[in-house]
Amino acid sequence: GQQLNQSPQSMFIQEGEDVSMNCTSSSIFNTWLWYKQDPGEGPVLLIALYKAGELTSNGRLTAQFGITRKDSFLNISASIPSDVGIYFCAGPHNNAGNMLTFGGGTRLMVKP
Amino acid sequence: KAGVTQTPRYLIKTRGQQVTLSCSPISGHRSVSWYQQTPGQGLQFLFEYFSETQRNKGNFPGRFSGRQFSNSRSEMNVSTLELGDSALYLCASSLSGARGTEAFFGQGTRLTVV
Repeated sequence: GQQLNQSPQSMFIQEGEDVSMNCTSSSIFNTWLWYKQDPGEGPVLLIALYKAGELTSNGRLTAQFGITRKDSFLNISASIPSDVGIYFCAGPHNNAGNMLTFGGGTRLMVKP
Repeated sequence: KAGVTQTPRYLIKTRGQQVTLSCSPISGHRSVSWYQQTPGQGLQFLFEYFSETQRNKGNFPGRFSGRQFSNSRSEMNVSTLELGDSALYLCASSLSGARGTEAFFGQGTRLTVV
């Protein structure tokens, strides 16, 4: 079945640094979604991408839909302690609506 | 606008019992999906309901079932609980149409089977 490979699995950075993570697939996706999950909470949608090559920002977050449609990138600029959490990429399974496949997540830790 | 509400937040059940979890979607959202999250397997899709009909189903045994009511609220049921069913169960609601992929999650129900 479809799989999303996220890297890195974890990152430990200094406050103020920029962060970059990515997600790759062996299959083409029509949509890429990026979520953040805090401990004990549900994932929160950060950015949705619908078009190959699309670059979308949400505050300090920027995500890109790869040209090949098999990858996506999320960048966080000037990280702050509240950026700590697990970031997930997701896409519709077999590009069929609301059945999402999730990556394994990138755990971000920020040192003040 | 209220978000997705899941109840209860925490549950402890004994192996062999059954459990029912509830989800109220965002007002106006007609699609409700359920996911299981475990440390080993990550986030896995269980099923999706739209207009009271199951529209998609993941690769889980028949012990996992769900339904959706006319007001879009949904319940999922797990029968004959096993220790491996311990997980965070997440409900997500979506609009239909082109933006239907954007799923908004509730806080989840933490189920512990002992």
